[in-house]
Amino acid sequence: QVQLVQSGAEVKKPGASVKVSCETSGYTFTNYYLQWVRQAPGQGLEWMGTINPSHGTTNYAQKFQGRLTMTRDTSTSTVYMELNSLTSEDTAVYYCARELPKTCFFDFWGQGTLVAVSS
Amino acid sequence: QSALTQPASVSGSPGQSITISCTGTSGDVGGYNYVSWYQQHPGKAPKLMIYDVSKRPSGVSNRFSGSKSGNSASLTISGLQAEDEADYSCSSFTTSSTYVFGTGTKVTVL
Repeated sequence: QVQLVQSGAEVKKPGASVKVSCETSGYTFTNYYLQWVRQAPGQGLEWMGTINPSHGTTNYAQKFQGRLTMTRDTSTSTVYMELNSLTSEDTAVYYCARELPKTCFFDFWGQGTLVAVSS
Repeated sequence: QSALTQPASVSGSPGQSITISCTGTSGDVGGYNYVSWYQQHPGKAPKLMIYDVSKRPSGVSNRFSGSKSGNSASLTISGLQAEDEADYSCSSFTTSSTYVFGTGTKVTVL
């Protein structure tokens, strides 16, 4: 069965970086894009960006350009999302989600990872 | 990219039908038939309910249906049940080859 399992909750200081992992199983890793979506407390979902695990190519929301990096490890079928220069406004639950290329919907989601930024 | 506009809350009694709107622009909702809807229970990950405006994934009840007209899309839940109480968010592909989500709607079953 398809599974996306994310790393555990993180607490960070303002200005720090965080790296969240999303380990996939149950399907061919390179056949699906992985998306990252976040949700601040009491707020709606916010799309952050996409990684194509086959080539490692990425597409980031303009809002995060310059401080967001998505990478992948094909040997472990895992994608990573690293966000730098954290502020309190980055406090959110971060989700990875799978997309069959060019279908424009996300059919399986990870369980979410809470990142709390506080001094 | 501004979030798609959804009503903050919608409520209905068991058995009734409710409709949630999702309003965007010609650069997202109006420009593509790539609108999807997600259900999210408290503390849980989103679940895909509708894709390509009106298609249902396998396993999703046929009480859920979607449509689109111009720059607005809609999700209708018919025969409302207690288990439908959750947050619902729309999403659309955009002309920038990115995605945008809606502001989210809390559905309450009275």
